[in-house]
Amino acid sequence: GQQLNQSPQSMFIQEGEDVSMNCTSSSIFNTWLWYKQDPGEGPVLLIALYKAGELTSNGRLTAQFGITRKDSFLNISASIPSDVGIYFCAGQLETSYDKVIFGPGTSLSVIP
Amino acid sequence: GAVVSQHPSWVICKSGTSVKIECRSLDFQATTMFWYRQFPKQSLMLMATSNEGSKATYEQGVEKDKFLINHASLTLSTLTVTSAHPEDSSFYICSAQRGSQGREQYFGPGTRLTVT
Repeated sequence: GQQLNQSPQSMFIQEGEDVSMNCTSSSIFNTWLWYKQDPGEGPVLLIALYKAGELTSNGRLTAQFGITRKDSFLNISASIPSDVGIYFCAGQLETSYDKVIFGPGTSLSVIP
Repeated sequence: GAVVSQHPSWVICKSGTSVKIECRSLDFQATTMFWYRQFPKQSLMLMATSNEGSKATYEQGVEKDKFLINHASLTLSTLTVTSAHPEDSSFYICSAQRGSQGREQYFGPGTRLTVT
């Protein structure tokens, strides 16, 4: 069953605004991954996090691995129209090292 | 680096026929590949883990006799949907694991299967 929760489910923002989305679970994760998926394409890895407390940036994107290892957030600063898409958090459970479990996704729409 | 390709990108087949989808890691070797299925407006659901040279591990509820997986080399895994039915119509996506620690997975562009 579903082991990851993502919020918000969807968001509509003005171009230039900052965005924040998060991912929570009742299980402990060893790895947190953030992906972006455009319609009809496969997910593209944005940021990978490997240690509790780790804060990593990739351009305008910043993500953090929660201290409890049960959550992570992704921030996007100064959004632009091409940020539109579905953002998935994903993780590798402490108990099953290789498998990546996906959250339900956050749909982001940017209004020019 | 870390490019994964899938072929075909889309396929339409008749009910009862079989369809093979290929997943290739183009610039790295992948001892482990994964197959996902994604229905419209939903997340990716892991179907099976494919290990080079051994049998695939299927997730609960996924029929191994219907979804045949072969990982014949370190750069190629195939998924064959046997005796396809309309309910098998979906977006099938593979990922390849790079690195011995198994932490980075890179996804292919997906294959859209439509069964008529």
